[in-house]
Amino acid sequence: DVKVTQSSRYLVKRTGEKVFLECVQDMDHENMFWYRQDPGLGLRLIYFSYDVKMKEKGDIPEGYSVSREKKERFSLILESASTNQTSMYLCASTPPRGGQYFGAGTRLSVL
Amino acid sequence: AQTVTQSQPEMSVQEAETVTLSCTYDTSESDYYLFWYKQPPSRQMILVIRQEAYKQQNATENRFSVNFQKAAKSFSLKISDSQLGDAAMYFCAYRSPLQGGKLIFGQGTELSVKP
Repeated sequence: DVKVTQSSRYLVKRTGEKVFLECVQDMDHENMFWYRQDPGLGLRLIYFSYDVKMKEKGDIPEGYSVSREKKERFSLILESASTNQTSMYLCASTPPRGGQYFGAGTRLSVL
Repeated sequence: AQTVTQSQPEMSVQEAETVTLSCTYDTSESDYYLFWYKQPPSRQMILVIRQEAYKQQNATENRFSVNFQKAAKSFSLKISDSQLGDAAMYFCAYRSPLQGGKLIFGQGTELSVKP
């Protein structure tokens, strides 16, 4: 079974802090994704990566950056966390064909 | 750009009954994938069923089946013999073969199952 692991289920941070959300997959997938999920808005794509050191902006990249130094790891970075970034963050990876496999999610609260 | 629409924010079904969740999409592509994902209260997204657009036969996975109408751009999910564990948010999603595996999601349908 494909496993996508997000480092934290719950995270509480202060406004202005730098926040790292880590995601690791064990199936050698090239494509990895970061989404945020908010009530009534569904899943919105923040960034994705289709290879090491490659990244593409999604629909809502503002306030976020990403890092993909190794194929299995895709990190989401909030340079200076703000309260409007309080949300559920979901990481996913995908094989060349088929659906995405998701991690368990990180619920981030920014106070 | 492709879009996915789920017009039913909430649905309810009696245990052991059948329920159908609706999904429509818009695309100019002829080759693509469609998916239904389930997100229970645990928040883990689980792939329920997939359909390749080139296949005319509707996909089936145990109690879950789809009605794929390519010309109408409709992709509904039927859950038969509903169980309490089926209660979840269900998302319809579209994948283009050209965009690196990106999924476009609908807004979701919250399904409740009454005992």
